This record gives sequence, C-alpha cells and structure tokens, in this order.
Amino acid sequence: QAVLTQPSSLSASPGASASLTCTLRSGINVGTYWIYWYQQKPGSPPQYLLKYKSDSDKRQGSGVPSRFSGSKDASANAAILLISGLQSEDEADYHCMMWHSNTWVFGGGTKLTVL
Amino acid sequence: QVQLVQSGAEVKKPGASVKVSCKASGYTFTSYDINWVRQATGQGLEWLGWMNPNTGNTGYAQKFQGRVTMTRSTSISTAYLELTSLRSEDTAVYYCASNPPETGDFNYWGQGTLVTVSS
Repeated sequence: QAVLTQPSSLSASPGASASLTCTLRSGINVGTYWIYWYQQKPGSPPQYLLKYKSDSDKRQGSGVPSRFSGSKDASANAAILLISGLQSEDEADYHCMMWHSNTWVFGGGTKLTVL
Repeated sequence: QVQLVQSGAEVKKPGASVKVSCKASGYTFTSYDINWVRQATGQGLEWLGWMNPNTGNTGYAQKFQGRVTMTRSTSISTAYLELTSLRSEDTAVYYCASNPPETGDFNYWGQGTLVTVSS
C-alpha cells in the first residue's frame, strides 16, 4: 500500500471550493507530519503551494493566494488542500508530499478540472 | 531572480549512464539543498535524493542506491545528477529543486531534463 494516496481526479465548478485529499497509509499518523502541497500545470515543473502540520504550524508559499489552505482530518488520517473561489487557472495537477523513512514521498497526484 | 537551469535532453541506450546538470543563480548556492525529482510521462513525482552543496553530503532514495550519484561544483554553482545502468523505466523528465536545508519547501525548480532510454 502506498504511503500517500490521492484520488486521481476531481472536478469542480468555477467559484466553488475543492477539497483535495491525501490519505496516509494505516499506521502512519497524519498528526505527526508536515504535509507539503505542490501545483503542476502541463509542461511545467511543480510549484510550491504550502505546508501544513497544524493550525499553529503552517506556512504559505511566497505569493500563493490565501484561497489555498491546508488542513487535516485526523479521523480519516488525511491531509487536505482546500481551494476556495475556484478559478480556471487552478486547473492543474496537485501533489502532496511528506518525509517518511528518510525519503521524500509523493502521492500519485490529483488532476483538478475546473468546469 | 532565482533560477535553476538544467542541461538539455538526453537519449541513452539501456545500460548506459547519464549526467544531468543544474546551474543555480540568484542566490547563494551553498545555502540551500538541491533535491532531484523525476516524472515519467503521465505519472506522478518520484524523489531520487538530496545534496547539501555546502558539505557535499547526500541522501538517496533506497530504490536508487548504487545507481545514483549527486555531486556539485561550488565554483560554478552547479549540481549534478548521475544515474547509471539505465533501463527503459528510467525514461522521465528529471527536475532539480532547491530548498532550505531539512525542509520540503522546494521553492525553486529547474525546467526539467527529458532523459529517454531506448535501444
């Protein structure tokens, strides 16, 4: 079982909110870890969005709009990237990442479609 | 402004080696780690390892141990990734990314280098 699991795709309407989940493998407690989020558009390298550990421990990437925010759902053992006020330019792949067993581990990525 | 500029696309035969460069500018090269990440077409991101350009210390993903080497030349602010014993599954875009030491804030990325392994 993968360390980080993301749904392969998600669709949402302009102006709405989208919650992108990143579920940690059973036995790895989401509350312990910094979770990082990256946005990637076709043909471009990923761009750093933010990192989140708790409400008191979080950092927004430089220039990243406040429409992007992180959270966790402890009951689901998952990290969440919330994008509010969706815009067409938010259509992209989103990757979560964490440090586990001396390795930076990525989720498989979620393709967000805004339509 | 901060830039990471990578070397151009490579085509290699199975069993060969490839060396990709990543030239940094706009910041103090030795103050930030360099990580290498790859992405096969239509696939997710995969981390290969990190290097501290100041000390030369490295850490590699277990999957690539024995096949990967990360080095640098501080005089020209350039990091290098060498991958040996190439196989078709190594065909991917390889990215370098810089980050403050011991964080996952990969703030700056190179443009990517396509490495194609084909007979």
